[in-house]
Amino acid sequence: QKEVEQNSGPLSVPEGAIASLNCTYSDRGSQSFFWYRQYSGKSPELIMFIYSNGDKEDGRFTAQLNKASQYVSLLIRDSQPSDSATYLCAVNYDMRFGAGTRLTVKP
Amino acid sequence: EPEVTQTPSHQVTQMGQEVILRCVPISNHLYFYWYRQILGQKVEFLVSFYNNEISEKSEIFDDQFSVERPDGSNFTLKIRSTKLEDSAMYFCASLGFQETQYFGPGTRLLVL
Repeated sequence: QKEVEQNSGPLSVPEGAIASLNCTYSDRGSQSFFWYRQYSGKSPELIMFIYSNGDKEDGRFTAQLNKASQYVSLLIRDSQPSDSATYLCAVNYDMRFGAGTRLTVKP
Repeated sequence: EPEVTQTPSHQVTQMGQEVILRCVPISNHLYFYWYRQILGQKVEFLVSFYNNEISEKSEIFDDQFSVERPDGSNFTLKIRSTKLEDSAMYFCASLGFQETQYFGPGTRLLVL
């Protein structure tokens, strides 16, 4: 059984802080990792994907992958209230999703 | 901005009825997916479709479900005999060469 685990939260951070979201996966052969954002009642929206160990940065977002430890994380710098959403981790192109972490950024 | 479209946005049906959910993926995309999300729960993979055939399916995708790409543009999910537990939001998604998967807005299905 391929599992993707996330802390469901809620995670609350003040505006301007760094939000750190984590995800672990069970399938050691996984190659592709994705972070999605989902606002309530809306469809998931891709934020970033990462394939290689290390960090990948895109604006205020940084994805970090450690295949040896089987985890992938998402850092959101300078968090804004508009970042308040559920963040979904997905693994591979069959998109096994984690349950999501609900993030609240307080003004 | 390319987009995936889905129809209908909402559907209410009686238990035991057949429903067909429709999706129009982005035109030059090759991989297509169906997911569902029961209210308050995680997004669940149902099936992926490539080159006019199913490439992978989850344990949820049993004989009650089928997918089709009837005319080169539409991508449909059929549920033959709906059950109460099929009530969920159903998302279609498509994937192109640039590794970006686009989700449609979803169809909210309610089985009574």
